[in-house]
Amino acid sequence: QVQLVESGGGVVQPGGSLRLSCAASGFTFSSHGIHWVRQAPGKGLEWVAFIHSDGSHKYYVDSVKGRFTISRDNSKNTLFLQMNSLRAEDTAVYYCAKDRGAMAGHSDYWGQGTLVTVSS
Amino acid sequence: EIVLTQSPGTLSLSPGERATLSCRASQTVTTYLAWYQQKPGQAPRLLIFGASSRATGIPDRFSGSGSGTDFTLTISRLEPEDFAVYYCQQFVSSPPWTFGQGTKVEIK
Repeated sequence: QVQLVESGGGVVQPGGSLRLSCAASGFTFSSHGIHWVRQAPGKGLEWVAFIHSDGSHKYYVDSVKGRFTISRDNSKNTLFLQMNSLRAEDTAVYYCAKDRGAMAGHSDYWGQGTLVTVSS
Repeated sequence: EIVLTQSPGTLSLSPGERATLSCRASQTVTTYLAWYQQKPGQAPRLLIFGASSRATGIPDRFSGSGSGTDFTLTISRLEPEDFAVYYCQQFVSSPPWTFGQGTKVEIK
């Protein structure tokens, strides 16, 4: 069955960095785009970033452009999110989510999320 | 950026009743709209994509309709496990692929 397992979350000071990982299994990883979606405590869902199945195209929400970098290693079925210059408003649960296709724009499977807390 | 507005914010209903949730887009998304369900402490689950196609394993009491800017998610008869928060998401053309702010369906 499809599984997505996020890791790498934790507490970091403002201005710090963190690298999230998402280990995927149960599907052909290299055939699907992957999203990062976040949810601040008690708030709604916010789409953050996307990487095409072959890594050729990457997209970001404006609020993280220049600070976050999405990447993938198709040989290891793993997705990454490098987060730099973190701000308090980046505090959220970060989910990785499998796109229904190479770049369908919506997600049919989600991980359980990893919590990132930016605080001094 | 396309803004999605969901209404109502909260829907108070009893098990067995019909739930009607609305999602309105600030510009046309044709039928590039999905609906998700999220329960407390859990990840979202895809219910509907393409405005009206049920995802794998979703019961037929869930149905989606609409096109252009106005969309509806209908739950024909609420089961106890259906009380949750529901989000719509548009995925027309290129990102950002935005979500609505959510509608909470609570037990009356």
